[in-house]
Amino acid sequence: NAGVTQTPKFQVLKTGQSMTLQCAQDMNHEYMSWYRQDPGMGLRLIHYSVGAGITDQGEVPNGYNVSRSTTEDFPLRLLSAAPSQTSVYFCASSSGRMSSYEQYFGPGTRLTVT
Amino acid sequence: GQSLEQPSEVTAVEGAIVQINCTYQTSGFYGLSWYQQHDGGAPTFLSYNALDGLEETGRFSSFLSRSDSYGYLLLQELQMKDSASYFCAVRDAKAAGNKLTFGGGTRVLVKP
Repeated sequence: NAGVTQTPKFQVLKTGQSMTLQCAQDMNHEYMSWYRQDPGMGLRLIHYSVGAGITDQGEVPNGYNVSRSTTEDFPLRLLSAAPSQTSVYFCASSSGRMSSYEQYFGPGTRLTVT
Repeated sequence: GQSLEQPSEVTAVEGAIVQINCTYQTSGFYGLSWYQQHDGGAPTFLSYNALDGLEETGRFSSFLSRSDSYGYLLLQELQMKDSASYFCAVRDAKAAGNKLTFGGGTRVLVKP
């Protein structure tokens, strides 16, 4: 199993550009989430999904869109990049079973907006 | 809303014991998790407490007191490779299982 994969690893955008961060998992996990981590800080939840076709907003959703058409993929779209969105973005997945509590994180995408 | 407090940094020597405290405020508590993150890496799961008491996993242990809204991670027999940031995270009973709120992290520096 590859686990959780994210592409690209690094990205530089100009203010106003849009792009999609890709996330895929091969563990058949129902739950998937997107977090951002600013330097020296904790992770903040952007959007999350509890299954294909179901998404919801987290703590900091503004400026981002998500969709979940398949169990495996959960892309994050930046609509119009701003310097405040410079951050490291992590995708995570976990089983939907009530007894499951471990989230598996991807390697991250390091985004710089100039 | 939810909030978590943990110390920003702890320094200790190899072989020592470090305790990282985490206090939380949440409208409905389901469980407390701990994650480790090395510089430049992704967070990795360490432990989870849903009930009061101590959970031991090798050199690391995690404790929870729901009445005090408090937990801690205990790192024993510190090794250089334990230098990393450690995050506590709460899961809200009223929210989906993957809707976690993370603390700001505690940076642990292990010195020879």
